[in-house]
Amino acid sequence: EAGVTQFPSHSVIEKGQTVTLRCDPISGHDNLYWYRRVMGKEIKFLLHFVKESKQDESGMPNNRFLAERTGGTYSTLKVQPAELEDSGVYFCASSRITGNRGETQYFGPGTRLLVL
Amino acid sequence: AQSVTQLGSHVSVSEGALVLLRCNYSSSVPPYLFWYVQYPNQGLQLLLKYTSAATLVKGINGFEAEFKKSETSFHLTKPSAHMSDAAEYFCAVITAPSGAGSYQLTFGKGTKLSVIP
Repeated sequence: EAGVTQFPSHSVIEKGQTVTLRCDPISGHDNLYWYRRVMGKEIKFLLHFVKESKQDESGMPNNRFLAERTGGTYSTLKVQPAELEDSGVYFCASSRITGNRGETQYFGPGTRLLVL
Repeated sequence: AQSVTQLGSHVSVSEGALVLLRCNYSSSVPPYLFWYVQYPNQGLQLLLKYTSAATLVKGINGFEAEFKKSETSFHLTKPSAHMSDAAEYFCAVITAPSGAGSYQLTFGKGTKLSVIP
């Protein structure tokens, strides 16, 4: 079974440009999460999809970030326009819907974003 | 609100020595706790998790952790460190804000483990 995949693995862009990150969850996982780790800080929750619906986007830093999950499969996270403070590692995770809060979230390798 | 604190951003041990990575939690409800590991240039991998069953949890690669409610701790241990254990380790607690099924992980700042030959 394929794990969570993310694309690209690395992205270097200039301030003001747009970047789109993609996440493909494990097949059959209806929960999809985005997390971010800014250098030197802890990994923080951004948002949560259940199928194609945004369940919780309380962690999104501002309206420059837009996440979508059309069709309830893969998800994209767009940053427009990118700012220096957006640099970091963006992780995607997925899990099954079981109603059990102990359900394991499986993480992808992350996208390392550097905004110059 | 739930939170975790990892004591020590860097820990060094000799190969073959005991590994002890500390994690303390704060939670208003019985916590579900996780340890993840990130090897260089890889994603996060689950080592083990506590979900209110046995207090001593065994994970992959010889790691285990003990849930101690009285000490609000969930420390990660391994009897004998191997060079391949060099990685960054994250303790996390499930946070359940309002909204059915919206269980997000709240992470500690991570502990980088170095293993000295």
